[in-house]
Amino acid sequence: EVQLVESGGGLVQPGGSLRLSCAASGFTFSSYWMSWVRQAPGQGLEWVANIIQHGSEEYYVDSVRGRFTISRDNAKNSLYLQMNSLRGEDSAVYYCARVGHCTSTRCTFDFWGQGTLVTVSS
Amino acid sequence: EIVMTQSPATLSVSPGERATLSCRASQSVSSHLAWYQQKPGQAPRLLIYDVSTRATGIPARFSGSGSGTEFTLTISSLQSEDFAIYYCQQYDDWPPYTFGQGTKLEIK
Repeated sequence: EVQLVESGGGLVQPGGSLRLSCAASGFTFSSYWMSWVRQAPGQGLEWVANIIQHGSEEYYVDSVRGRFTISRDNAKNSLYLQMNSLRGEDSAVYYCARVGHCTSTRCTFDFWGQGTLVTVSS
Repeated sequence: EIVMTQSPATLSVSPGERATLSCRASQSVSSHLAWYQQKPGQAPRLLIYDVSTRATGIPARFSGSGSGTEFTLTISSLQSEDFAIYYCQQYDDWPPYTFGQGTKLEIK
């Protein structure tokens, strides 16, 4: 059974930093792209970042590029999101998602974790 | 960036009836369109990908159709567990992947 378990969320002041983690199990982690997707309170879904299987390619939504860094440790079956220079608009539940059902590089998010809440406030 | 627009924002339907949800893309996404279901306090769940392919374990009452810029999710006979928020998502042209704003399916 595929499982994705996020951790690391919490309350942080504007300008602060936070590192999210996602522990994966039930599949061959190193064979999949992985993503972070966020959802502000009462709002819709926003893709944040993707990382290729071996970590050599990363992609970001414009609003976080230069502030957030996605990374992975395939030996630990773990995905990370380092978030710096946090802003109020970054407050959201952050979901770790597996990228699957691909046609070339066009893929969906086929499994999601339960999410971790990040609140940016003074 | 491709903008995804869902309609209606809220849909009220009685159990046992059919529900039809719409999604429009600002430009063609070919067949690279997915639907997700999200219940309160839960993560999204993939329902449909490639416009019409049901994900593993998804009941046959869920079906998707469309092409290019116009897409539809149909739930043929609503069960109580189907009342939720539904999002469409394009994965044809990324980054960024983009989602619609969601349609809330509520009990009439």
